[in-house]
Amino acid sequence: NAGVTQTPKFRVLKTGQSMTLLCAQDMNHEYMYWYRQDPGMGLRLIHYSVGEGTTAKGEVPDGYNVSRLKKQNFLLGLESAAPSQTSVYFCASRLAGGTETQYFGPGTRLLVL
Amino acid sequence: RKEVEQDPGPFNVPEGATVAFNCTYSNSASQSFFWYRQDCRKEPKLLMSVYSSGNEDGRFTAQLNRASQYISLLIRDSKLSDSATYLCVAGANFGNEKLTFGTGTRLTIIP
Repeated sequence: NAGVTQTPKFRVLKTGQSMTLLCAQDMNHEYMYWYRQDPGMGLRLIHYSVGEGTTAKGEVPDGYNVSRLKKQNFLLGLESAAPSQTSVYFCASRLAGGTETQYFGPGTRLLVL
Repeated sequence: RKEVEQDPGPFNVPEGATVAFNCTYSNSASQSFFWYRQDCRKEPKLLMSVYSSGNEDGRFTAQLNRASQYISLLIRDSKLSDSATYLCVAGANFGNEKLTFGTGTRLTIIP
């Protein structure tokens, strides 16, 4: 049981390049999330999904797209990376239900030059 | 105003002392509350859920005051290993599909 995994762990991009971050969970969780964490800003929700084939915008969705084609995977895409997207990205998942624990992946550190 | 507000600290506390953190939330519809712990350059991990009746887990006690919309965490007999950032979390909407995280309170335990 690997929990929540993220690929890659670290990436350097040039402005304008695109990339996809992959999140996978093996806990059969319905809900999945993408956050970014910046110094002094805390965790901010980018997009989330409450089930396969569904996605919704979070607090800071601009410049990102997501897809959840399979229940266990949640992809985060950057179509044209900007230096402002330099951050640590965390994926998380949880079972449906208000009191369920949310589990995080180890994070992806992205540097956009 | 942020939906979940915490004192960022840092709190520098001698080993063995008791330390308390408070957190306020603005969304009165929030139904679930948690404290997470985050070590440097690591992912957040659940420390404990917070229930209306208050709950205790070893040296840690969490309390919820719905009337005043604040959550507290008390750490007794602090250990060096308690050094971390503590994140206050509240369910962000009625269905609680989303959680809103505070910016965290940094705690350093001093030998």
